[in-house]
Amino acid sequence: DAGVIQSPRHEVTEMGQEVTLRCKPISGHNSLFWYRQTMMRGLELLIYFNNNVPIDDSGMPEDRFSAKMPNASFSTLKIQPSEPRDSAVYFCASSLFNGDTEAFFGQGTRLTVV
Amino acid sequence: QQQVKQSPQSLIVQKGGISIINCAYENTAFDYFPWYQQFPGKGPALLIAIRPDVSEKKEGRFTISFNKSAKQFSLHIMDSQPGDSATYFCAASHPGNTPLVFGKGTRLSVIA
Repeated sequence: DAGVIQSPRHEVTEMGQEVTLRCKPISGHNSLFWYRQTMMRGLELLIYFNNNVPIDDSGMPEDRFSAKMPNASFSTLKIQPSEPRDSAVYFCASSLFNGDTEAFFGQGTRLTVV
Repeated sequence: QQQVKQSPQSLIVQKGGISIINCAYENTAFDYFPWYQQFPGKGPALLIAIRPDVSEKKEGRFTISFNKSAKQFSLHIMDSQPGDSATYFCAASHPGNTPLVFGKGTRLSVIA
């Protein structure tokens, strides 16, 4: 299994531009999580989906952030318009609940907004 | 409000020594407590996990100690090696298919 696949690995964009991060979860997993990692705040949960349905998006910092999961094998996190304070590493993770919540993380997208 | 508090923020240990990282939580509804390991440029990966019905779990050189009454758990790395140098995160989750809440991480450096 290729694991959780995220793209792009690195993204540099100008303030005000739209940014779309992509994630392909592990096949058969029924939950998907988007986390943001910064030095100051560590790993923060932004939103998670169970069976493609958004369950909790209370971690999404502002209306500029949105996430979709149109099917079991694909999710996007969009920032529009982007701001320098959005610069961080964004991780997607997936899990198959079988009594334990082992989350498998992708390699992340390092976003830099200049 | 930080639900899982982790310390220390950074740790330097001599090769062969014991690394100890501590976490504390407030929410007694948590019932799953994993530790994740992250190398630079990689995503976190599960290292070892425990449930509150046991006080200790050991896997190779890695041990979790769990104190339910104190609402604390810790990771012990015995015979620490330079290859263990990484950032370690404790986490917790509620029953059911719920997301993990992470501590802020501990950057471990094992020096020869």
